[in-house]
Amino acid sequence: KNEVEQSPQNLTAQEGEFITINCSYSVGISALHWLQQHPGGGIVSLFMLSSGKKKHGRLIATINIQEKHSSLHITASHPRDSAVYICAVRSLGDMRFGAGTRLTVKP
Amino acid sequence: DTAVSQTPKYLVTQMGNDKSIKCEQNLGHDTMYWYKQDSKKFLKIMFSYNNKELIINETVPNRFSPKSPDKAHLNLHINSLELGDSAVYFCASSYAGTSGGTSYNEQFFGPGTRLTVL
Repeated sequence: KNEVEQSPQNLTAQEGEFITINCSYSVGISALHWLQQHPGGGIVSLFMLSSGKKKHGRLIATINIQEKHSSLHITASHPRDSAVYICAVRSLGDMRFGAGTRLTVKP
Repeated sequence: DTAVSQTPKYLVTQMGNDKSIKCEQNLGHDTMYWYKQDSKKFLKIMFSYNNKELIINETVPNRFSPKSPDKAHLNLHINSLELGDSAVYFCASSYAGTSGGTSYNEQFFGPGTRLTVL
């Protein structure tokens, strides 16, 4: 079992829908990252969290350290949000990755 | 200006060859990383390196070696390439420390190098 589990694996939404992607982890962490990998392959760091909540535009990331769980929310989704979203945790200097959630937003 | 750059973008080579992938960052970061993304799109860290410490993922074969001529560069050298080395390799950089509300430790990724071993 992977130390970082994401759900769902695949997600299809209509433009404008509110999207939630979940990440659960089983190790102690110092930080959690949400990454976005575009269809062309490039990776962009969206958030780095160690507690609480962060917001950037239509993206919101939350983390509950006690429950070892993080969520990435996208409000008013748009086709350009279509990408793979990857959760990664920093643990003892190492990075462990989830398998990613493939999001497709249809117009 | 490109923050983290990698060359080449594509690399096709024969089994048994030795090859290098170069990475440069102009962000002033003190830590650089190499990741491997396999055919199933699963990312794994290979190395993290700053001027004090090289951390190697124990699953990485010793045919892979990082070489850092200076703080802004971390090149990946691969000896005796094997078919299973075919993957996309990403370089990234960050600051090593953490501080309050700033995005220390946030990693910035290069565009990736697609390596195909024939």
